[in-house]
Amino acid sequence: DQQVKQNSPSLSVQEGRISILNCDYTNSMFDYFLWYKKYPAEGPTFLISISSIKDKNEDGRFTVFLNKSAKHLSLHIVPSQPGDSAVYFCAASGGGDYKLSFGAGTTVTVRA
Amino acid sequence: SQTIHQWPATLVQPVGSPLSLECTVEGTSNPNLYWYRQAAGRGLQLLFYSVGIGQISSEVPQNLSASRPQDRQFILSSKKLLLSDSGFYLCASHPKQPYEQYFGPGTRLTVT
Repeated sequence: DQQVKQNSPSLSVQEGRISILNCDYTNSMFDYFLWYKKYPAEGPTFLISISSIKDKNEDGRFTVFLNKSAKHLSLHIVPSQPGDSAVYFCAASGGGDYKLSFGAGTTVTVRA
Repeated sequence: SQTIHQWPATLVQPVGSPLSLECTVEGTSNPNLYWYRQAAGRGLQLLFYSVGIGQISSEVPQNLSASRPQDRQFILSSKKLLLSDSGFYLCASHPKQPYEQYFGPGTRLTVT
C-alpha cells in the first residue's frame, strides 16, 4: 500500500522558472516530511524537511509547503537551475517510527 | 556529519550465486541503519532496518537477509540470487534524532 504518492513522474521546466513538485500522503500518523534529490547511480541526498507543526519551511531556493488538511505537500524550487535536474523523492515518517515511506519520485529536467 | 560507505559499487552475479553487500558508517554512534532497493524506474523500497547490534526487522518477505555484527556495520546477504534481485541497493543511516536519513553511494546489482 503506497502511503506516499508522487503522481507526476516527470516535470520539465525552463531555467530560471519555478519548479513545483507535489506529494500526497494517506497516513494521518505522519508528522515529519522530507524531500530528497537523487542523481543517477548515486545515493539520495537530503534536501529539506518540514514538521507537521509548520506549514512552510524555506532554505535558499527551496521551499516546502505542507497542507495537513489535504494531506499534501509541495516543493518549490526557484529559480530552477540546470544542476537541479534529478529525481526528487518525497518521504514521510511518524507515529514514533523512524522509518521513512518514500514516493515513487519525480524526474525534473531543467531546460536551458 | 555522517559518512556512509558501501561496496562494491557494481556487481554482476549469476542466478543462484550468493550475495554479500557491506555498509559501514562513520561519524555517529548507535545509528538506525536501513537497506533499500530501487528497481528500475521505481521508488525506494525499504528491505530491512536495524535499531541496534543484532536487531534486524524485515519489511518485505524475500530471499534476502540482513545482519548487523557491529554498531556501524550492516550487511545484506542472499544464499541464492534471483533475477528479480537486480536493482540499486542503498544503505542509509540516521542517529536517533533527527529524522533525516543519510544515504550511501549505492551498489548496482545485476543478476544474469
